[in-house]
Amino acid sequence: LAKTTQPISMDSYEGQEVNITCSHNNIATNDYITWYQQFPSQGPRFIIQGYKTKVTNEVASLFIPADRKSSTLSLPRVSLSDTAVYYCLVGTLNTGFQKLVFGTGTRLLVSP
Amino acid sequence: NAGVTQTPKFRVLKTGQSMTLLCAQDMNHEYMYWYRQDPGMGLRLIHYSVGEGTTAKGEVPDGYNVSRLKKQNFLLGLESAAPSQTSVYFCASSEQGAAYGYTFGSGTRLTVV
Repeated sequence: LAKTTQPISMDSYEGQEVNITCSHNNIATNDYITWYQQFPSQGPRFIIQGYKTKVTNEVASLFIPADRKSSTLSLPRVSLSDTAVYYCLVGTLNTGFQKLVFGTGTRLLVSP
Repeated sequence: NAGVTQTPKFRVLKTGQSMTLLCAQDMNHEYMYWYRQDPGMGLRLIHYSVGEGTTAKGEVPDGYNVSRLKKQNFLLGLESAAPSQTSVYFCASSEQGAAYGYTFGSGTRLTVV
């Protein structure tokens, strides 16, 4: 399993764009990059998943460079409700079990 | 569509007592997982199941047992609770193996005194 490294915490203000970068130097060819969001007292929630280039959904965008050794989660125009812990995970989409390893994540604090 | 439901939401146990945490999912998922999360830390996998009637150990299985008698239910048991098992427990399920999106329950906050 590829190990991931992300900042422990980030601060932002409402209305700003937030970019959280995750490093995964040992990512394998079959690995996808997945991001989860966890609010206090709740379980993590799937945000976005990608393999290469750019993926966008209604919540966020995920940018993955050609070498795939890092990825950036982009949250456009954050609000107070985006205050949460964000986890970057790497794992294969092959069938058969492979556990997801959650690190300590990035704690994002959005202020007024 | 309830997703993943955990019961109870809160529980206080005395050292040495036993209890069972119930996880139920209504999405017909094959894979189910039990994690624990301690303050300021990420989630650690306790046990998991790849289908009805199967279970396997995760990273921190000691002191816990699990059963998956029905596809929709995954039970986590503590036979003799210890203060070190004070934690928030999360159950999750997924349609296939890891990397596909997991659906998590809202957690069970367990305190062992």
